[in-house]
Amino acid sequence: DVKVTQSSRYLVKRTGEKVFLECVQDMDHENMFWYRQDPGLGLRLIYFSYDVKMKEKGDIPEGYSVSREKKERFSLILESASTNQTSMYLCASSPPERTGFFFGQGTRLTVV
Amino acid sequence: AQTVTQSQPEMSVQEAETVTLSCTYDTSESDYYLFWYKQPPSRQMILVIRQEAYKQQNATENRFSVNFQKAAKSFSLKISDSQLGDAAMYFCAYRSAQRDDKIIFGKGTRLHILP
Repeated sequence: DVKVTQSSRYLVKRTGEKVFLECVQDMDHENMFWYRQDPGLGLRLIYFSYDVKMKEKGDIPEGYSVSREKKERFSLILESASTNQTSMYLCASSPPERTGFFFGQGTRLTVV
Repeated sequence: AQTVTQSQPEMSVQEAETVTLSCTYDTSESDYYLFWYKQPPSRQMILVIRQEAYKQQNATENRFSVNFQKAAKSFSLKISDSQLGDAAMYFCAYRSAQRDDKIIFGKGTRLHILP
């Protein structure tokens, strides 16, 4: 089975901190994605990556950056956390064929 | 730009009954994929069913089936013999067959199963 692992299920950070959310997949997938999920808004794409060192902005990239130094790892970085970034963050990966995404278990981030 | 609309924020169904969740989408593309994902309270998003736009036959996975109406841009999910474990948030999703292959999600429908 494909496994997508996010480093934390729950995280509490202070305003202004630099926050790293890590995601690792074990199936050599090329494509990786970061979404945030908010009630009533569904899932919104923050960033995605087709390959190592490649990144593309999604629909809501402001306040975020990403890093993909290795194929299996895709990191989401909050440069200076703010309270409006309190949310559920979901990482996903997919193979080139269109069989759908595989999701991690999600990280619930609270910024205080 | 493509959009996905789920018009029912919440639904309830009696255990063992059948329920249909609605989804419509908007696209100018002819080749794409549609999905239904389930997110139970554990938060792990699980792929329920997948439909290729070029296939006329509706996809089926055990108790889950879809009604894919390409001309109407409609993609509803039918759950037969509803079980307590079906209680979850359900997301309809669209993915282009083109290179820019991000998935676009609807806002979700929360399904309650009444014992």
